[in-house]
Amino acid sequence: RKEVEQDPGPFNVPEGATVAFNCTYSNSASQSFFWYRQDCRKEPKLLMSVYSSGNEDGRFTAQLNRASQYISLLIRDSKLSDSATYLCVVSLFPGGATNKLIFGTGTLLAVQP
Amino acid sequence: DAGVIQSPRHEVTEMGQEVTLRCKPISGHNSLFWYRQTMMRGLELLIYFNNNVPIDDSGMPEDRFSAKMPNASFSTLKIQPSEPRDSAVYFCASSLRQGMNTEAFFGQGTRLTVV
Repeated sequence: RKEVEQDPGPFNVPEGATVAFNCTYSNSASQSFFWYRQDCRKEPKLLMSVYSSGNEDGRFTAQLNRASQYISLLIRDSKLSDSATYLCVVSLFPGGATNKLIFGTGTLLAVQP
Repeated sequence: DAGVIQSPRHEVTEMGQEVTLRCKPISGHNSLFWYRQTMMRGLELLIYFNNNVPIDDSGMPEDRFSAKMPNASFSTLKIQPSEPRDSAVYFCASSLRQGMNTEAFFGQGTRLTVV
C-alpha cells in the first residue's frame, strides 16, 4: 500500500465549478501536511500547508482529519489557471532535525472554458 | 537566492553508460532530497540527507544508484550502469525545518532518457 494515496483523476470541470480532492495517508506518525501544485513539465511548488483546524487561502480550503488519516483540498470558482496536478504531501520527523517528505502520485485537474 | 539548481536539465545517454546528476541546494537549508518522477509511479523519494549525512536511502531502487553530499552546497546522484527503465525526471529539493514548517523547494529537474 502506498504511504500517500490520491485519486489520479483527471478531473475535468468547467470554469466556475467547485472541485474537491482527497488524500489518505498510512503512517499515523505523520506530523505535517501540505498540498503542492505541479504545472506541466515544471517542478512542484507549495500551494498551502494543512492544519488540524482547517485553513483557507482565497478560493482554496484545506482540511485535515487525523483520526481518519485523511486530507482534502477544495477549490471554489475554478479558473483556467488552476489546471495542474495537485500533490498531497505528508512530512515525518524520524528524529532530531530531520524531516522526510512523502508525496502522493497527484491528481490532475483540467478546467475547461 | 537562485533557488535549487540542478544540472544538466536534459540528459540522453546510451544503456550501460554512467550518468551523474548534480544539485546545489538553497544556501542555509539543512535537508536535501532526491526524487524520481514517472507517469506510472509519480514522485518517489530516493534518498534524503540532513546536514550532509544520508538519513534514509530505502527508496534507492538498486545498487546501480548512489548519492553523495560531500558538503552543504553540493550533491550528486549517480547511476552506473544506466538502463532504459531509469528514464524519468529526477528532482532535487532542499528544505530548512523550522518547527513544523518543512516546505521543500524543488529544482527544475533533470529529464533523463536512456536509450
